[in-house]
Amino acid sequence: KAGVTQTPRYLIKTRGQQVTLSCSPISGHRSVSWYQQTPGQGLQFLFEYFSETQRNKGNFPGRFSGRQFSNSRSEMNVSTLELGDSALYLCASSLGETGGTGAYEQYFGPGTRLTVT
Amino acid sequence: DAKTTQPNSMESNEEEPVHLPCNHSTISGTDYIHWYRQLPSQGPEYVIHGLTSNVNNRMASLAIAEDRKSSTLILHRATLRDAAVYYCILRDGENYGGSQGNLIFGKGTKLSVKP
Repeated sequence: KAGVTQTPRYLIKTRGQQVTLSCSPISGHRSVSWYQQTPGQGLQFLFEYFSETQRNKGNFPGRFSGRQFSNSRSEMNVSTLELGDSALYLCASSLGETGGTGAYEQYFGPGTRLTVT
Repeated sequence: DAKTTQPNSMESNEEEPVHLPCNHSTISGTDYIHWYRQLPSQGPEYVIHGLTSNVNNRMASLAIAEDRKSSTLILHRATLRDAAVYYCILRDGENYGGSQGNLIFGKGTKLSVKP
C-alpha cells in the first residue's frame, strides 16, 4: 500500500505570495492532519480534516487554511507569506477521526520544505 | 492538555537493548500512549501505542506502568538506523472536537547509537 505523498517536496516563495501544498493520504484513510515543523518551535499542529470537514484547528493565524476533497486528498494554503512561514510542512493520515479516537495512529508523509525569501 | 516528560538525550550501543522512559503523571483514563520517532530529514514515523496493557510489534515493545503514570519504549536490539528523536505523546481516545486527540509533540528524546 502506498504511503502518504506530498507535493511539491521543495518550494521557494517570496514574501507576500501565497502557496498551496498538496497531500494524498494512504488509501482508505479518511483523516488528514497538517503540522508545521521549525527548528525553534518544533512540530506544531495546524488542522485536521475528516470527511471534507475541518475537525480541529491549532493556534495559527487565518492566513493558514486547508480543505479536503471527497477522495480524502487535502490541500493547505498559506496566504501573504512571511519569512517566519519557512518550515517543513507535514501531512499525516489516519484511519479514523484523530480528534476523538486516540486509538488510531497517524502516518506521516515526507513533508514539503517551504522557504520564504 | 496532558503532558509528557522525557530525557533530552540518550546513548546506546549497537545491538544492545534501549529503554526510553516517559513520564505522564497527569494522564487521564481515556488517554492512549503513543510513540513516534523522527529520523533526520524525514517525517515522523509511528512506532507503537497502547492504553493499559503492554504492547509488542515488529519495531518495539511498550511497557506501561500499572498506574499508567509512566511508560517505557523498548528497542530490543538497537541498530544505527534507530538513531532518531523519539516522541512520547498522549492522545485522548474519547473527547472529540478539541485538540487533545491530535498529536502534541514535545522535545522528545534524541537517541544516539554507537557502533
